Amino acid sequence: DGGITQSPKYLFRKEGQNVTLSCEQNLNHDAMYWYRQDPGQGLRLIYYSQIVNDFQKGDIAEGYSVSREKKESFPLTVTSAQKNPTAFYLCASSPTGMNTEAFFGQGTRLTVV
Amino acid sequence: GENVEQHPSTLSVQEGDSAVIKCTYSDSASNYFPWYKQELGKRPQLIIDIRSNVGEKKDQRIAVTLNKTAKHFSLHITETQPEDSAVYFCAARSSTLGRLYFGRGTQLTVWP
Repeated sequence: DGGITQSPKYLFRKEGQNVTLSCEQNLNHDAMYWYRQDPGQGLRLIYYSQIVNDFQKGDIAEGYSVSREKKESFPLTVTSAQKNPTAFYLCASSPTGMNTEAFFGQGTRLTVV
Repeated sequence: GENVEQHPSTLSVQEGDSAVIKCTYSDSASNYFPWYKQELGKRPQLIIDIRSNVGEKKDQRIAVTLNKTAKHFSLHITETQPEDSAVYFCAARSSTLGRLYFGRGTQLTVWP
């Protein structure tokens, strides 16, 4: 079954702890993205990667880190430096090329307790 | 970078009426404009897209128009149904950076 998979669906974290969100795709897409979604804020780009071993900061990268060691995997770490980490996190991937859609995972809802 | 503005933020229509959502963008180099629908608690899914060499595209009850000169594009939904209720996002892809820029979304509610 092809697609993009995020895990877990729900995640609870204590303040001061780092947490890693998983994103895996078997679509053979070169580009992968992490978005944060808050009510009324739309989709804000955290980090993106267009090729293995390379990634760029998006609009709200502070307090987050990523790695892209494999084409199919793009994990996101929410560090303790992120002041308001409670949000819905969406991972996406797309083929290389300018006129291509992005395919989204089902999202991870992170709650800081 | 690119800036995408989307209006309105909320839209309520009666079943059977039409709904129109408008977006503007700032980067004249943007050349791909997708629209996504997100139902509550679910992932955004592409419903229609348009490329910069086309002025209009239609798929059943959904249509998108693009005015490159004015840098705006619109989503038109005709004969709305309650299942059309969702948040709709417009986006523009920058040809220089290769990433998508999203609008803030429109909450569409279709009343039966």
